[in-house]
Amino acid sequence: QKEVEQDPGPLSVPEGAIVSLNCTYSNSAFQYFMWYRQYSRKGPELLMYTYSSGNKEDGRFTAQVDKSSKYISLFIRDSQPSDSATYLCAMRTGNQFYFGTGTSLTVIP
Amino acid sequence: EAQVTQNPRYLITVTGKKLTVTCSQNMNHEYMSWYRQDPGLGLRQIYYSMNVEVTDKGDVPEGYKVSRKEKRNFPLILESPSPNQTSLYFCAVVRDDYNEQFFGPGTRLTVL
Repeated sequence: QKEVEQDPGPLSVPEGAIVSLNCTYSNSAFQYFMWYRQYSRKGPELLMYTYSSGNKEDGRFTAQVDKSSKYISLFIRDSQPSDSATYLCAMRTGNQFYFGTGTSLTVIP
Repeated sequence: EAQVTQNPRYLITVTGKKLTVTCSQNMNHEYMSWYRQDPGLGLRQIYYSMNVEVTDKGDVPEGYKVSRKEKRNFPLILESPSPNQTSLYFCAVVRDDYNEQFFGPGTRLTVL
């Protein structure tokens, strides 16, 4: 069993839709949770970072962590064609980072 | 401009021919890391370095070597590449509070 599981999609939504991306994890030692966005032929870029259970909002993006269920989510409101990318969840324990496989998202104008 | 550079960006080689992928940063951060990205497997950490002369194995270190002789450079060495090392490789620099990683542009390696 992988330490971090992420639905690979692909996910296709119309412009303006609310998008929900999810990851589950098995390692209770994960303390820090991140979402990265990766455009085609580019390296990943950090979108959001959190370390506590609950919600964190940044513009159209909301990161949600439920440590009791070992479940994290990223919500994108009012999705735009420029949001079309692969979204990677990532987690850290100590000095090591673990990534999900990524969910490919396409927002159709 | 803060940058992580990798070279080469694309490489096709043959089994057993030693190669080095370079990684350089101008951010002055301590922690540097190498990942490989494969379809269905995601990003997996190969090696990381918390400081000069300090390196540690990540999840998939077999077949790779690294060295950290100076803060800004962290080369990845494949002494005897094999076809199962065909992948997209990323170097990353971690901010000193560990809250963010800055990734290089990637190196697409094909081993025939």
